Amino acid sequence: KNEVEQSPQNLTAQEGEFITINCSYSVGISALHWLQQHPGGGIVSLFMLSSGKKKHGRLIATINIQEKHSSLHITASHPRDSAVYICAVRSRGGEAAGNKLTFGGGTRVLVKP
Amino acid sequence: GAVVSQHPSWVICKSGTSVKIECRSLDFQATTMFWYRQFPKQSLMLMATSNEGSKATYEQGVEKDKFLINHASLTLSTLTVTSAHPEDSSFYICSAFSRTTAYNEQFFGPGTRLTVL
Repeated sequence: KNEVEQSPQNLTAQEGEFITINCSYSVGISALHWLQQHPGGGIVSLFMLSSGKKKHGRLIATINIQEKHSSLHITASHPRDSAVYICAVRSRGGEAAGNKLTFGGGTRVLVKP
Repeated sequence: GAVVSQHPSWVICKSGTSVKIECRSLDFQATTMFWYRQFPKQSLMLMATSNEGSKATYEQGVEKDKFLINHASLTLSTLTVTSAHPEDSSFYICSAFSRTTAYNEQFFGPGTRLTVL
C-alpha cells in the first residue's frame, strides 16, 4: 500500500461543475502539499497545509490531521483547470528525514466546455 | 511567491554525450534542492537531495556517477547526466526548499525535458 493514496485517478467534469479530489496518507506528517501539473509538465504549488482549510480563488483545500485525509475542491470548474493534481506529504521527521516529499499518484482532471 | 527556474527547458542530445541542467532559486536562498525524474503518466520519483556545500544524497537505485549533482551555492544546483542513453530520456524537475522564506516550503522548477537519441 502506498503511503499517499489519491482518488479518483481520473475525473472528467463539465465546465461549471464542482470537483473534489481526495488524498489519504498513512504516516505522520508536518505538511501536505497540493500541486498542479499542466500538460507541458511544469509544476505549480497550489497549497501547503498543516491544519484546517485554505482558499485561493476557486480552489479550496482542507485537511483533517486526525483522519489523515485532505481534499482539494475546485468550484465553478473551467477547461483551464484541466491538469494533473498531485498530493504530496512531508513526513513528521522533517529535517531529520531530509524534508523529503512523498507523492500520491496524481488525479488527472479534464474539464469539458 | 518564490520562483525556481530551470535551464534548459528541453534538450535533445546524442547517445553518449553529457547534459547539464541548471536549477536556480531566483529570489530566495535554497538550503536544500531536490532532483526528481518523471516518466510519462507516472508520479515524480526523487533522485537525490543536495544541501549547499555538501555531497548529494542519492536515492536507492540512482547511480551517483551517472547523475552528478553539484550544489555550489544557495541559489544554484546542477544535475549532469553523463554518457546519456535513450533510457535516460525523461522529464527532470528540481525543487528548492527554504527555511528562510515566509512559506517554509518547497518550490518547484518548470522542468527539463531530456530526449536522448
